[in-house]
Amino acid sequence: EDQVTQSPEALRLQEGESSSLNCSYTVSGLRGLFWYRQDPGKGPEFLFTLYSAGEEKEKERLKATLTKKESFLHITAPKPEDSATYLCAVQANNQGGKLIFGQGTELSVKP
Amino acid sequence: DARVTQTPRHKVTEMGQEVTMRCQPILGHNTVFWYRQTMMQGLELLAYFRNRAPLDDSGMPKDRFSAEMPDATLATLKIQPSEPRDSAVYFCASGPPADTQYFGPGTRLTVL
Repeated sequence: EDQVTQSPEALRLQEGESSSLNCSYTVSGLRGLFWYRQDPGKGPEFLFTLYSAGEEKEKERLKATLTKKESFLHITAPKPEDSATYLCAVQANNQGGKLIFGQGTELSVKP
Repeated sequence: DARVTQTPRHKVTEMGQEVTMRCQPILGHNTVFWYRQTMMQGLELLAYFRNRAPLDDSGMPKDRFSAEMPDATLATLKIQPSEPRDSAVYFCASGPPADTQYFGPGTRLTVL
């Protein structure tokens, strides 16, 4: 069964304190791994797609990496506006584009 | 700035009433998804369409939920009759086939 597990469930950082969020997955043929950001009361906002092990993508203070079993979202020198829930999802081959989501990591960055 | 739109944004209803949620996908996207988000279960896929045809609705309670795409600019999700356990945020997402999905703002449903 395809599955996504994110850790930690919650993470509290001081402004400027870098850290990483983890997404472990099991999937029968990975087509893509997706990272989304979700603010309270809003829909998930697309951040990155990773397709193969070794791939990395960056956007401002965020960098996503992918191995055959997990993905990391590295946050460098975070700011309070980075506070949100970060969701990881996998898309399997031959599944019509379905996304299977993890439970998310709630990030809080204090000034 | 193309976006997925959903109406209503909030809905409070009583148990047993019919609820209809609407979604306008991004123009040109031919795949539309319906998700439900709760604290306990997180984001769960209910159903999805490609070129207006339903591909998978195995995530929906068949006896009370139905999803349709009357045309390429409108997707609907109906619950009849609604139950308190249906209280959740319902998201619509659209995208090209097997690619990034873009989410709408959601409909927050409360069934009393």
